[in-house]
Amino acid sequence: EIVLTQSPGTLSLSPGERATLSCRASQSVSSSYLAWYQQKPGQAPRLLIYGASSRATGIPDRFSGSGSGTDFTLTISRLEPEDFAVYYCQQYGSSSWTFGQGTKVEIK
Amino acid sequence: QVQLVESGGGVVQPGRSLRLSCAASGFTFSSYGMHWVRQAPGKGLEWVAVIWYDGSNKYYADSVKGRFTISRDNSKNTLYLQMNSLRAEDTAVYYCARDRRALRGPIIEYYFDYWGQGTLVTVSS
Repeated sequence: EIVLTQSPGTLSLSPGERATLSCRASQSVSSSYLAWYQQKPGQAPRLLIYGASSRATGIPDRFSGSGSGTDFTLTISRLEPEDFAVYYCQQYGSSSWTFGQGTKVEIK
Repeated sequence: QVQLVESGGGVVQPGRSLRLSCAASGFTFSSYGMHWVRQAPGKGLEWVAVIWYDGSNKYYADSVKGRFTISRDNSKNTLYLQMNSLRAEDTAVYYCARDRRALRGPIIEYYFDYWGQGTLVTVSS
């Protein structure tokens, strides 16, 4: 089973700053199988990025994804107040899916 | 618009059973695979199970294999999760999510594009 490790666990930033979230896989993952989700307290996760770099419908362009192989990155170019949340990466492989443990982006 | 509404959660004693439902609307349910994903209190997301659009294939996380059964009724636009031999560690919010496989050229991209709001299952004596 592929393990996804996200870092850092918590990111403390101010609105307007740039956020860079990392997702590292224990073995190579196809970019087509890598997605990112945002979750706010008391809410369901929301799809942000699929195929490692494609934004989902309605997602602002301040969100971008990149990476390949074992290293993937979610970047939020300028944090808006509504972006403070937990972010999860996810991968598909061999008829199972796994999530990273999440990165919390909190207001500094 | 796409809607997924879970129900059936509650408090149950260890070793007992519970069945969750996920009512789908706003899309052709019979054309999509569906997942269950859970989240223990204060923890991250854990994939639980998937069922193909026609019910022909089902896969499970090792943590629930042999105890949980995913099923669907396409005539009722409803997904189910039968949970048997429940344990304290099964306590979580259970979400249903729609499986999406998007074709981009020769490549298929896999992701979950819609999620329900979740139903809480608490396993406790």
